[in-house]
Amino acid sequence: DAGVIQSPRHEVTEMGQEVTLRCKPISGHDYLFWYRQTMMRGLELLIYFNNNVPIDDSGMPEDRFSAKMPNASFSTLKIQPSEPRDSAVYFCASSLGPTFYEQYFGPGTRLTVT
Amino acid sequence: GENVEQHPSTLSVQEGDSAVIKCTYSDSASNYFPWYKQELGKGPQLIIDIRSNVGEKKDQRIAVTLNKTAKHFSLHITETQPEDSAVYFCAAGSGGGADGLTFGKGTHLIIQP
Repeated sequence: DAGVIQSPRHEVTEMGQEVTLRCKPISGHDYLFWYRQTMMRGLELLIYFNNNVPIDDSGMPEDRFSAKMPNASFSTLKIQPSEPRDSAVYFCASSLGPTFYEQYFGPGTRLTVT
Repeated sequence: GENVEQHPSTLSVQEGDSAVIKCTYSDSASNYFPWYKQELGKGPQLIIDIRSNVGEKKDQRIAVTLNKTAKHFSLHITETQPEDSAVYFCAAGSGGGADGLTFGKGTHLIIQP
């Protein structure tokens, strides 16, 4: 398996623009997680899905952020409108379960909002 | 919710020496404690984990200890090598719950040649 695939790897956009980050989880993994990583706040869980259904979105910072998982092999994280404070590395991870199972992380998308 | 504190934020050790990273957690319901290693430009990768029914687990040069009474757990790396240089994250979670994992803020481990 190729592992978790994320695109794009780097994204530079201007404040106010819409940003869409994409993730393809490992085949057979029922759980998909979106994280944000910054120097100040570390690795924060934004939202996670089980069998394409959002289970916990309490980490989503505000209504500008939305995530979808239309099928078992694809998920998106959208920011609209983007702001400079959204600049971070966004990771997608997948696993066989929410807690006891290893989470396999993708390479991340480095987002810069100017 | 769970809160995980990790110390130190940066740790520099001489090659061949041991390194210890410590974490505390707040939720007594947590029973799963993994450690992840993140190399530059990559996503975190699991290196070892421990469940609350054991106090220690070892895998070659890496070991993890857990004290449930004090709510703290530690990562021990012996005979450190240059390739051990990375950022290490501890995490805590409650198996079977719907809360996933809560991560510490990470420790940047630097191995001095």
